[in-house]
Amino acid sequence: QTTVTQEPAFSVSLGETVTLTCGLNSGSVSINNYPSWYQQAPGQAPRTLIYNTNTRSSGVPDRFSGSTLGNRAALTITGAQANDESDYYCALYMGSSIWVFGGGTKLTVL
Amino acid sequence: QVQLVQSGAEVKKPGASVWISCKASGYTFAKNAIHWVRQAPGQRLEWMGWINVNSGHTESSQKFQDRVTITSDTSADTAYMELNSLRSEDTAVYYCAREAPNYAFFDYWGQGSLVTVSS
Repeated sequence: QTTVTQEPAFSVSLGETVTLTCGLNSGSVSINNYPSWYQQAPGQAPRTLIYNTNTRSSGVPDRFSGSTLGNRAALTITGAQANDESDYYCALYMGSSIWVFGGGTKLTVL
Repeated sequence: QVQLVQSGAEVKKPGASVWISCKASGYTFAKNAIHWVRQAPGQRLEWMGWINVNSGHTESSQKFQDRVTITSDTSADTAYMELNSLRSEDTAVYYCAREAPNYAFFDYWGQGSLVTVSS
């Protein structure tokens, strides 16, 4: 059973930088997993932030960036703003036409 | 602009089935796959399955394989998801999402359809 792991919760001070990560319970996240990241505000549909590890979706501010950190995919928010307080989900393509979402990270901006 | 508009909220009894529709506009419907993702109250996003609208081929998560049917109607630019043998744990918001042409991600999302399963 493939499990995609994310930090359940994170907090960041206003204007500071935070990095959220996304891993696999077995093995490393690779470019073949096409990591993508989604932001979800309460009661709203997800919004696409990052795809293919590090490409920002149209209209996404450049304070959001994606990367690989060791064996995990990472989402960095540089200069966090109050309206960045949301849930963040990563999704990985597992091959064979199967996708899996991570458990999500609840980000609090202090 | 690309839009995915889903059908409204449903209340169902345990054991029943639910159909949810997802009408696409603003692009050529057959060119992109449509995925279904659900979110139980306070829980994570959960990928359910997808349909290649052009070919009609579908795949679904092992968890839902026996209970989910995903279809599409290119004449109506609409995708459908049926979930049967409903139980209380299926109470969730169900989203459709368009798969971007490359890089295996979801670029547009429907607004969500709340399904409540209650006796």
